[in-house]
Amino acid sequence: SSELTQDPAVSVALGQTVRITCRGDSLKTYYVAWFQQKPGQAPLLVLYDKDKRPSGIPDRFSGSRSGDTASLTITGAQAEDEADYFCSSRDSPGNVFFGGATTLTVL
Amino acid sequence: EVKLVESGGGLVKPGASLRVSCAVSGLTFTNAWMSWVRQVPGKGLEWVGRIQSESDGGTIDYAAPVKGRFIISRDDSRKTVYLQMNSVEIGDTAVYYCATGATVSTIYYFDYWGQGTLVTVSS
Repeated sequence: SSELTQDPAVSVALGQTVRITCRGDSLKTYYVAWFQQKPGQAPLLVLYDKDKRPSGIPDRFSGSRSGDTASLTITGAQAEDEADYFCSSRDSPGNVFFGGATTLTVL
Repeated sequence: EVKLVESGGGLVKPGASLRVSCAVSGLTFTNAWMSWVRQVPGKGLEWVGRIQSESDGGTIDYAAPVKGRFIISRDDSRKTVYLQMNSVEIGDTAVYYCATGATVSTIYYFDYWGQGTLVTVSS
């Protein structure tokens, strides 16, 4: 199946650690990409490949994978991390899929 | 600086056609694989399709919901990618983004996105 499943919402206290998960069969074969999206803005790539961050993404963002589940971890969440987070992957023919988004609230 | 600028969105009636464009600067467009992603306001992201660079074969792939109705093309001389939307449906209402990656042949590692253009399908 190409479906990616995310929890709809997660909250974290300022400065604490939060994990956002993404589950799907494709993740057993392909790495996940994580995007952050704030209201009124285009998505922003924050993690890709095994655990790579594009230039400018803080190192408090990290990733991991176990079986069919990928995780995005924010260590020391900041107020500016409050956003929607989407995971993405692909299938063998190259179709692209996105998870349903996790809304992160920083308390 | 890499910039992607979409244009051409607007109000269109069900069954009609509309073409949206994405002008690219700041990268070697001829090598870039370009994708379209849409988003119903307040909802999730949905991949629409992708066009490879001509040097990589120019293959075009579409998501199932738009296959046979939408056409993706590119004009390397204008550094522009197009999305021709035919026989549009109410469900095609969304913000349409073009996207590409720092790795030219990226399939889903989209480093660069446009600002999006809103397409509203309504009678």
